[in-house]
Amino acid sequence: QVQLQESGPGLVKPSETLSLTCTVSGASISSSSYYWGWIRQPPGKGLEWIGSIYYSGNTYYNASLKSRVTISKDTSKNQFYLMLTSVTAADTAVYYCARHRRYSSSSLGYFDYWGPGTLVTVSS
Amino acid sequence: EIVLTQSPDTLCLSPGERATLSCRASQSVSSSYLAWYQQKPGQAPRLLIYDASSRATGIPDRFSGSGFGTDFTLTINRLEPEDFAVYYCQQYGSSPPWTFGQGTRVEI
Repeated sequence: QVQLQESGPGLVKPSETLSLTCTVSGASISSSSYYWGWIRQPPGKGLEWIGSIYYSGNTYYNASLKSRVTISKDTSKNQFYLMLTSVTAADTAVYYCARHRRYSSSSLGYFDYWGPGTLVTVSS
Repeated sequence: EIVLTQSPDTLCLSPGERATLSCRASQSVSSSYLAWYQQKPGQAPRLLIYDASSRATGIPDRFSGSGFGTDFTLTINRLEPEDFAVYYCQQYGSSPPWTFGQGTRVEI
């Protein structure tokens, strides 16, 4: 059974860097059929895709966050990571990691497995 | 960027009734690449439907999806108590960003 689990600090100060880890079990992030993505949800609001990474290291980012986001991976640990720099209160959200179906070399699809999410609050 | 608009924002129904949720795209979604998710309080979204009409693994057949182009529908027949939740659509037919609708809350 595929399982994902987010981990990282629950509180980050403004202007600092948010760093999260997603640990995957029951599937390999080296699979050619999937990307691995991050999605966030501000309290009481909707879902926003942040970015996704392939086993090759290829990444897609949401242009609205691209200048501040880096997604990386460690296939030996079956983990992938999110870094978001220069955070503000607007970055306060539940952050989810999820498996992102790959449709072709340039097309990604739906998210079929999700972690439970982790709340990150940006506050001094 | 494709913007998805869901309607209504809130749907008030009773168990046993049928729910019809709409998702409209600002431009045509290629190949009907649209998914639906269910989210309950404090939980992650769960994939219900992908490719507009294919049920995900383990999803009951009272959930069905339809539509193409810019107009898509999620239908829930014979609402069960556990179906009261927020539902999101997501498109993936275009280049990134892959976007979500704002959600429809189905409540009693």
